[in-house]
Amino acid sequence: AQKVTQAQTEISVVEKEDVTLDCVYETRDTTYYLFWYKQPPSGELVFLIRRNSFDEQNEISGRYSWNFQKSTSSFNFTITASQVVDSAVYFCALSDLGAGSYQLTFGKGTKLSVIP
Amino acid sequence: NAGVTQTPKFQVLKTGQSMTLQCAQDMNHNSMYWYRQDPGMGLRLIYYSASEGTTDKGEVPNGYNVSRLNKREFSLRLESAAPSQTSVYFCASSELPRHGLAADTQYFGPGTRLTVL
Repeated sequence: AQKVTQAQTEISVVEKEDVTLDCVYETRDTTYYLFWYKQPPSGELVFLIRRNSFDEQNEISGRYSWNFQKSTSSFNFTITASQVVDSAVYFCALSDLGAGSYQLTFGKGTKLSVIP
Repeated sequence: NAGVTQTPKFQVLKTGQSMTLQCAQDMNHNSMYWYRQDPGMGLRLIYYSASEGTTDKGEVPNGYNVSRLNKREFSLRLESAAPSQTSVYFCASSELPRHGLAADTQYFGPGTRLTVL
């Protein structure tokens, strides 16, 4: 069965520090998608990125970057020069055919607090 | 373009009462989903509708029913609410998954915070 592990429950950093959020996944499928979502204190879920299993190229979007490594089944998320507005719970999620093509399996989330 | 909308935003029920959570999307998506979020648990799928006219159980369907009213709307019903159903409920939608590929990106509504006393 598919599984997503976010071992870091809570992280606190001082503003302008870099921070990496870890995500490790398990799946038997060769075709799957990985996602990151952000849930700010207001409660909504904001889509950040989607990566398919055939594309291991790292991605950078402004201060955000993602490192996908199939060899270690990891999809880590780095925020560079963190800001207070980055304070949120971040969820990693997996979608694969083994789940019936329609189910996102979420990790339990990492709560990031950026201290001014 | 409102995306995914949910009503109500907050609700308090007594044990045994029933209610329906409403969800609508204006992105012309074929698939819709209901999740619940509990502290420290991430999100868990309750039911989903891959396309209009179909519904299927997710990971935690017990105590819930759903109706895919049309392409835009997908409702979640609690027939006899229990304290264990106190949670935040999220609706989501996505394009129809293409054959042989995992599901497309899901976009979420703002959530409904439900308390059952």
